[in-house]
Amino acid sequence: AQSVTQPDIHITVSEGASLELRCNYSYGATPYLFWYVQSPGQGLQLLLKYFSGDTLVQGIKGFEAEFKRSQSSFNLRKPSVHWSDAAEYFCAVGATLEYGNKLVFGAGTILRVKS
Amino acid sequence: GAVVSQHPSWVICKSGTSVKIECRSLDFQATTMFWYRQFPKQSLMLMATSNEGSKATYEQGVEKDKFLINHASLTLSTLTVTSAHPEDSSFYICSALRQGRGYGYTFGSGTRLTVV
Repeated sequence: AQSVTQPDIHITVSEGASLELRCNYSYGATPYLFWYVQSPGQGLQLLLKYFSGDTLVQGIKGFEAEFKRSQSSFNLRKPSVHWSDAAEYFCAVGATLEYGNKLVFGAGTILRVKS
Repeated sequence: GAVVSQHPSWVICKSGTSVKIECRSLDFQATTMFWYRQFPKQSLMLMATSNEGSKATYEQGVEKDKFLINHASLTLSTLTVTSAHPEDSSFYICSALRQGRGYGYTFGSGTRLTVV
């Protein structure tokens, strides 16, 4: 079974500052990795995903993430945060068919942006 | 792009009644859908995997008789909360898995269930 750890429950950054949200995963094979964003009371929006190939993945809204197999990490980054980025961010790992294609989420990181 | 519609967005029901939540993939066929539950300020907990034409697979600790899942077509999965109680109040979110080209998980907008 797969698992995901997001060690930071809350992060506060100043508008215009850079951002890095941490994600570590555990999975026995090559993982499918995702970052989602959720605004209060809403569903989830996909920011980016990694399946294979280039380990630096570009997503929407200026986000990027880097897959590091040696560290079992998939950290999300943004060079300059905007106030509208305030939301909760979830890292997730998807399993292959033999494990039911399940998508398992980390605990989430709440991002606060101060002006 | 892949779109999933979840209905209703919110529902209030009396204790002891049943509530059905629908999850539809609008522009792709989904043989596999997932149902999650999210408590306030917490992450999404996978409840069950819904497979078209077969029984759902429930996660450990989820009561299959309370949370009935039906996946009768390639575009529709339903979750019925039977004999609802206040502790069933929560935010329920469905997800549809798109296979092949454009592989990925698309989420519905969620259903806020309040049992009074």
